[in-house]
Amino acid sequence: SQTIHQWPATLVQPVGSPLSLECTVEGTSNPNLYWYRQAAGRGLQLLFYSVGIGQISSEVPQNLSASRPQDRQFILSSKKLLLSDSGFYLCAFSYGVGYGYTFGSGTRLTVV
Amino acid sequence: SQQGEEDPQALSIQEGENATMNCSYKTSINNLQWYRQNSGRGLVHLILIRSNEREKHSGRLRVTLDTSKKSSSLLITASRAADTASYFCATDGPGNTPLVFGKGTRLSVIA
Repeated sequence: SQTIHQWPATLVQPVGSPLSLECTVEGTSNPNLYWYRQAAGRGLQLLFYSVGIGQISSEVPQNLSASRPQDRQFILSSKKLLLSDSGFYLCAFSYGVGYGYTFGSGTRLTVV
Repeated sequence: SQQGEEDPQALSIQEGENATMNCSYKTSINNLQWYRQNSGRGLVHLILIRSNEREKHSGRLRVTLDTSKKSSSLLITASRAADTASYFCATDGPGNTPLVFGKGTRLSVIA
């Protein structure tokens, strides 16, 4: 069966420090991959998505970046975190149009 | 924006009652999906309804879609305390565009 792993579950980082969140998918190949961010009590904001290795589409210009070095690996990064980067980060995969998304368990990031 | 908007923002009901949540969106869609999120967890896909469908059932869930009104509803029958969660609708548009999520309805089912 297909599974998605996201880590770490929680992270507290100082302002100006780097960030690397990793997401991996098992049991499938060539999935569409997504990074969303959720502010407290709010909906999901799409940050990045990828339809293939090395293909990244950015939805929100900011100090975050994403990479897909392998088919089933999606990484969210920042060189210098801002306070406004705090939130709940969710990775997801799908098979394309007409399919539901499978979400990871999320990473709670607090920038202090 | 094609973002869905759920209504109400919060809903509190007694166990055994039915819960109805509504979603409105702005542009044409390929399909509309509903998700559930327990506090502090990832979202779980509940049901997908295509633009050419009007109603769909899955267990205690019933989803309707009215493309002329650009709206959908999610009905949970005979609610249980375990149904307490936030519920989100999500829509996609032409092509392989990612899902856009609404802000969700917080459902509390009181035992």
